[in-house]
Amino acid sequence: GAVVSQHPSRVICKSGTSVKIECRSLDFQATTMFWYRQFPKQSLMLMATSNEGSKATYEQGVEKDKFLINHASLTLSTLTVTSAHPEDSSFYICSATEGRSYNEQFFGPGTRLTVL
Amino acid sequence: DAKTTQPPSMDCAEGRAANLPCNHSTISGNEYVYWYRQIHSQGPQYIIHGLKNNETNEMASLIITEDRKSSTLILPHATLRDTAVYYCIACMDSNYQLIWGAGTKLIIKP
Repeated sequence: GAVVSQHPSRVICKSGTSVKIECRSLDFQATTMFWYRQFPKQSLMLMATSNEGSKATYEQGVEKDKFLINHASLTLSTLTVTSAHPEDSSFYICSATEGRSYNEQFFGPGTRLTVL
Repeated sequence: DAKTTQPPSMDCAEGRAANLPCNHSTISGNEYVYWYRQIHSQGPQYIIHGLKNNETNEMASLIITEDRKSSTLILPHATLRDTAVYYCIACMDSNYQLIWGAGTKLIIKP
């Protein structure tokens, strides 16, 4: 149980275009979803936290107008990278939690974004 | 959240027990110790967590010292598929924001 999927797994786009990444909890309702970014050989960096039906909370230094997060339902959150540039190339990972008493987060497989 | 310190890398022979240490000397009384791992180019995977008592599940055992300032994750019979970066994180149960350090790169050798 507790599977999180991401789509697409890989995307290559031209500079200036927007890219949408979907994160779905397949067999549970996710009260909270998280979006992370990971550059090569670095650890995960939390970008934002989102709860269904409310605005996402962004970490310091993350531009909310550039990284649009929509958490429309308890099983779906989307991250849109607007006007992508080469420096946005990274591994984007989402996670979700059922909101149980302990902090077990279920992670998606990640999306590799390459901006040319 | 308390800061954790882990060795950057470790090797272990296949079939042997892998013991991964973690220091969390500033951990507070209500912070849990969580362990996740990340296999190359995949999302992280939850392994185990604990507060005070030692814990065991189908994946690993977690040994927490009595003063809670350090812990050890034990993979009892390491396989090549256990090669990954292992992250030790200390955080409160009610705080879902995990702060990721550099982790330990564990390499299992045949």
